Order: sequence, then C-alpha cells, then structure tokens
Amino acid sequence: NAGVMQNPRHLVRRRGQEARLRCSPMKGHSHVYWYRQLPEEGLKFMVYLQKENIIDESGMPKERFSAEFPKEGPSILRIQQVVRGDSAAYFCASSPRDSYNEQFFGPGTRLTVL
Amino acid sequence: AQSVTQLGSHVSVSEGALVLLRCNYSSSVPPYLFWYVQYPNQGLQLLLKYTTGATLVKGINGFEAEFKKSETSFHLTKPSAHMSDAAEYFCAVSPYNNNDMRFGAGTRLTVKP
Repeated sequence: NAGVMQNPRHLVRRRGQEARLRCSPMKGHSHVYWYRQLPEEGLKFMVYLQKENIIDESGMPKERFSAEFPKEGPSILRIQQVVRGDSAAYFCASSPRDSYNEQFFGPGTRLTVL
Repeated sequence: AQSVTQLGSHVSVSEGALVLLRCNYSSSVPPYLFWYVQYPNQGLQLLLKYTTGATLVKGINGFEAEFKKSETSFHLTKPSAHMSDAAEYFCAVSPYNNNDMRFGAGTRLTVKP
C-alpha cells in the first residue's frame, strides 16, 4: 500500500505565477489535510477536506489560496499570484474514516518563490 | 477548539542521557494525543498516540509518553538518547469526535556525542 504521494517535491515559481501542489492520499483514505511549514516554524493547519467537500478551511489565507479534493483524482492546493512569503514546505496528510484520527503524512512539496 | 504548547523549541542532550520533550494541550472535549517525528527534508512520521485506555503509551524507537489529564500534559520521554534521535518532534491534539488535528510549534532535539 503506497503512502501519501505529493508532487512535485520541489517547485520554483516567480512572483505573480501560480503554484499547484498535488496530493494523492493513501488508498482507502477519504480525508485530506494540508499544512504549511515555514522555515524554523511549526506546522500550521490550512485546510481539511473530504471528497468534494471542504470541512474546515479556518487556516487558509483569505486570498490567493484555494483547495479542492474532487471525486476522482488528487487533492490540489492552489496558490495564485505567489509572493516570496509563500515560500515554505507544504505537507499533505490523509486519514481513513474511524481511524482514531491518525494522519499519515506525505513527503511535502517545497515551494520557493523567486 | 484545541491547541498544543510545546515547551522549549530546542533541547540538547548527550548521547545516552534521558530525553524529555514537554507537551501541554487544551481541549474542550476528551482529546486524542500524538507525537510525530520529522527528519530533515522529510514528512512527519507517527511515533506514538494516545486514544483511550492505558495512559502510558509506548511507541517506536524506544519512545514513550504518558497522558496526565490532571496536568493536561503528554510529555515524550526516552531513557537513553541515540545520535539517530536528532530530529524535530511535534506534539498534536485532536478531539475524540472529529479529525481536526492541531500541532505544536515543534521541538528540535540535538544529541551530542
């Protein structure tokens, strides 16, 4: 059973471009979470999704950031018009239903904005 | 809402010494508690978790943690540190009745030879 997959592992964008980060949860997992880790800081919750539903997006910046988890395909975290402050590691985690809430993490996508 | 406070952003111990990483939580409902470890340039790996039952929880790599409700704490310990334990450690809490997890800021463990 493959783990949580994230791609790309590294992404470089120039200011003003769009960044798309993909996350494929573990097989059978219906819950996806996105976190952001800034240099020398901890993990910050961004958004929690189930298939076709956003459950909690209280950690998402109000502008430029969006997330989806379609019925088919990976979850996508989209950052429009990136700025230097968006440079960070973005981690995706997934969990099955009734899992005692354990989350399984992907290796992360490291976004660098030039 | 739930939250986690990890005391000490950096902890340094000598190889063979006791490791103690502190975590205090707040939760309005019974919590589930977790410790994760992150090695450089990698994702997070679960060390151990408390859900229900025995309050002393044993995890991988010789780590254990004790849930103390009266102190709202879930400190992580290991009797004897190894060089390979050097990493970032995150404590996390989620309510028992949903999947909404919150992480502490992390503690970076350094192990000196």
